[in-house]
Amino acid sequence: QVQLVESGGGVVQPGRSLRLSCEVSGFTFSSYAFHWVRQAPGKGLDWVAAISYDDNNEYYAESVKGRFTISRDSSKNTLYLQMDSLRPEDTAVYYCAREMWERNGPFDYWGQGTLVTVSS
Amino acid sequence: DIQMTQSPSSLSASVGDSVTITCRASQSISASLNWYQQRSGRAPKLLIYAESGLQSGVPRRFSGSGSGTDFTLTISSLQPEDFGTYYCHQSYSFPYTFGQGTKVEIK
Repeated sequence: QVQLVESGGGVVQPGRSLRLSCEVSGFTFSSYAFHWVRQAPGKGLDWVAAISYDDNNEYYAESVKGRFTISRDSSKNTLYLQMDSLRPEDTAVYYCAREMWERNGPFDYWGQGTLVTVSS
Repeated sequence: DIQMTQSPSSLSASVGDSVTITCRASQSISASLNWYQQRSGRAPKLLIYAESGLQSGVPRRFSGSGSGTDFTLTISSLQPEDFGTYYCHQSYSFPYTFGQGTKVEIK
């Protein structure tokens, strides 16, 4: 069955870095685009970044542009989010999600989320 | 960026009631509008895609309609398991954006 499993969350000081991973199984990884979506405590959903199925295109929210980098490794069926220069406002549960079809697609499968807390 | 505005922000309804949630986009997004349900502490679940497509496994009491800038999610006969927060989401253009959510409570 389709599974997306995030890892890598934790407590980190402002200005430091963290890398999130999302290991997928149950489908052909290289055929799909993926996204990261976050949710601050008690708040709504906030789209963060996307990467195309062929790794040729990346997209970012303005709030993370220049600080976060999305990437993928087809040999490991894994999606990544490298987060640098972290700020307290980056504190959130981070979800990875599969885009059902390339371009304008909905997110049909989500991981369980991993909590990132940025605090001194 | 395309702003998505949902209303109401919360509602309380009885089992069997028909419930409607609306979502308005700040510009036309064609039919690239999706709806998700999120129960507390869990990942969002896709209900409706491309304005009116019913995701596999989702009960038929959920339906979506609209086009352009104005969209609606309807739950035809509210069930106890339908509690949670509902989000609309535009996948028309980057940056993708979500509505602020509508919290549905069962009376």
